[in-house]
Amino acid sequence: AQTVTQSQPEMSVQEAETVTLSCTYDTSESDYYLFWYKQPPSRQMILVIRQEAYKQQNATENRFSVNFQKAAKSFSLKISDSQLGDAAMYFCAYRSGGFGGGSNYKLTFGKGTLLTVNP
Amino acid sequence: EAGVTQFPSHSVIEKGQTVTLRCDPISGHDNLYWYRRVMGKEIKFLLHFVKESKQDESGMPNNRFLAERTGGTYSTLKVQPAELEDSGVYFCASSQERDWYNSPLHFGNGTRLTVT
Repeated sequence: AQTVTQSQPEMSVQEAETVTLSCTYDTSESDYYLFWYKQPPSRQMILVIRQEAYKQQNATENRFSVNFQKAAKSFSLKISDSQLGDAAMYFCAYRSGGFGGGSNYKLTFGKGTLLTVNP
Repeated sequence: EAGVTQFPSHSVIEKGQTVTLRCDPISGHDNLYWYRRVMGKEIKFLLHFVKESKQDESGMPNNRFLAERTGGTYSTLKVQPAELEDSGVYFCASSQERDWYNSPLHFGNGTRLTVT
């Protein structure tokens, strides 16, 4: 079974600074997807960024980027130019299978990292 | 478009009582998922519907939990009888069946269940 570990229960960052959230995972599969989700206080969880395991290039979405190290099974999230609206619980998640894995979103999540952004 | 909605947002019940949680997915989303986060632990997959069929219910904790999705629209998750360890936040999510790769998973706000 796959596991996802987020070793930082809480992190804080100054507004406009950069912060990196850690995530490691354990799997014997070669095809899989990795995700970072964000849940602001009292709001819905939303997708921040996604990485396909077969892609060597790290995914980037505006101020959010990942450092995907497949051999090390590491998938960290970097938030640049942090904004107050980035304050949230961040979850790292794993999904088995490539395109042949079916259409399901059966995700394995980490425990989450609570990010505080200080003005 | 309306998002995934869950009712109630909070529920406090006593041990041994019954609670029913409801989830309305985004219209047209055939895939519906239930997840649960017990305080301080990971969000855990409970089950997956495709339309009205249970595709995967491997995450359901025990037979005190019953999920239904009659007609393939909204879903209910009943806990009967509730136990203290059932406390947590229950999330519902939905996605399109086709082109799932480009169709993100949409989550509801969750139902916070407290069993006393």
